Amino acid sequence: QVQLQESGPGLVKPSETLSLTCAVSGYSISSGYYWGWIRQPPGKGLEWIGSIYHSGSTYYNPSLKSRVTISVDTSKNQFSLKLSSVTAADTAVYYCAEGYSSSWYWFDPWGQGTLVTVSS
Amino acid sequence: QSALTQPASVSGSPGQSITISCTGTSSDVGGYNYVSWYQQHPGKAPKLMIYDVSNRPSGVSNRFSGSKSGNTASLTISGLQAEDEADYYCSSYTSSSSLVFGGGTKLTVL
Repeated sequence: QVQLQESGPGLVKPSETLSLTCAVSGYSISSGYYWGWIRQPPGKGLEWIGSIYHSGSTYYNPSLKSRVTISVDTSKNQFSLKLSSVTAADTAVYYCAEGYSSSWYWFDPWGQGTLVTVSS
Repeated sequence: QSALTQPASVSGSPGQSITISCTGTSSDVGGYNYVSWYQQHPGKAPKLMIYDVSNRPSGVSNRFSGSKSGNTASLTISGLQAEDEADYYCSSYTSSSSLVFGGGTKLTVL
């Protein structure tokens, strides 16, 4: 059974870079599948950030593409998110998830999520 | 890309059936059969309920079903139960090789 766990700073200053890691257990990332990041501002809906294949191929939300980098580290069985030049609008619960049924179009399971607040 | 359009709220009594709509355009919902639905209880991570328009992941009750007509996808929950009370989100692949979510629908079981 695959489990995902997000980790990283809960508070980031405006204009700095948000960095999160998703540790995967119960499955070897190098074996395949897609992995993704999704966020949810407090009290609001879901927003897809981007997805990555185990080989490193990436897909990004066009509205965030200029600021987002998603990478995979198969040696540590984890993948990461970097979002640069953050503002208060980037305050959200950030989820990592596995692409379901060998696809990056849908996700299951998800991590529990981690709240990142952008504030000085 | 604009979010898909969902009703803000729907409600139903136990045992009844409800349908949640998800309206997009020919560049997303109408153009591809890559629609999915998620259930999210308060303070919890979303759970995949439907993928590929109408397929259920293993372990999801057959009371949940999905369909699509034109630019609108729908999630139907039959035999409504108290545990179904949650927020529901649709998602679709888009012509920009990206994903877009709906704004979410709050389901209340009366």
